[in-house]
Amino acid sequence: QITLKESGPTLVKSTQTLTLTCTFSGFSLSTTGVAVGWIRQPPGKALECLGIIYWDDDKRYSPSLKNRLTITTDTSKNQVVLTMTNMDPVDTATYYCAHRPPGQGVKFDPWGQGTLVTVSS
Amino acid sequence: QSVLTQPPSVSAAPGQKVTISCSGSSSNIGNNYVAWYQQLPGTAPQLLIHDNNKRPSGIPDRFSGSKSGTSATLAITGLQTGDEADYYCGSWDSGLSVGVFGGGTKLTVL
Repeated sequence: QITLKESGPTLVKSTQTLTLTCTFSGFSLSTTGVAVGWIRQPPGKALECLGIIYWDDDKRYSPSLKNRLTITTDTSKNQVVLTMTNMDPVDTATYYCAHRPPGQGVKFDPWGQGTLVTVSS
Repeated sequence: QSVLTQPPSVSAAPGQKVTISCSGSSSNIGNNYVAWYQQLPGTAPQLLIHDNNKRPSGIPDRFSGSKSGTSATLAITGLQTGDEADYYCGSWDSGLSVGVFGGGTKLTVL
């Protein structure tokens, strides 16, 4: 059974750096084709893909956030870390990490429960 | 504004069929697989359809997906009150090199 869980601060201040950790089990990020994605959802709004890290450590970031995002992995700990700099109140959202099995596209399955991050001005 | 376009809402009666459209471009839907997600209130999205028309194990065959050109459609038959949720389409965008989603469609089962 694959599970993922996001952890990190629930409240950050404007201009601060957000660090979220995705701790997963039931799969290895060293397996060919596997990836972990980060997706966020502002309250009452749509999903937005922030980025994805692949089994070979290749990474892709949303162009609109690329300068602020870093995704890293600690394979030994089964963790993926998202770092977002210069936080702003518009970044208030529920942040999800999700497993992407080998293949193509955005077939994220399953997702973590999500963590709500509020940015205060 | 989302890269993929979905209707904000759809509705139908229990037992009926409903379809949800998702429109994109050649850089996403036109040349990449489409996935569909169901998000029940207060929960994380769940994968319903992947690779345009494939169902993960455990997803009822009442849910089906199709793709034509730069558009995709999710169909739900035999509607149940438990199907009330937000539905999102997603695809890889080769130009942006990132996944993209639609704005979501709220399904109401009258």
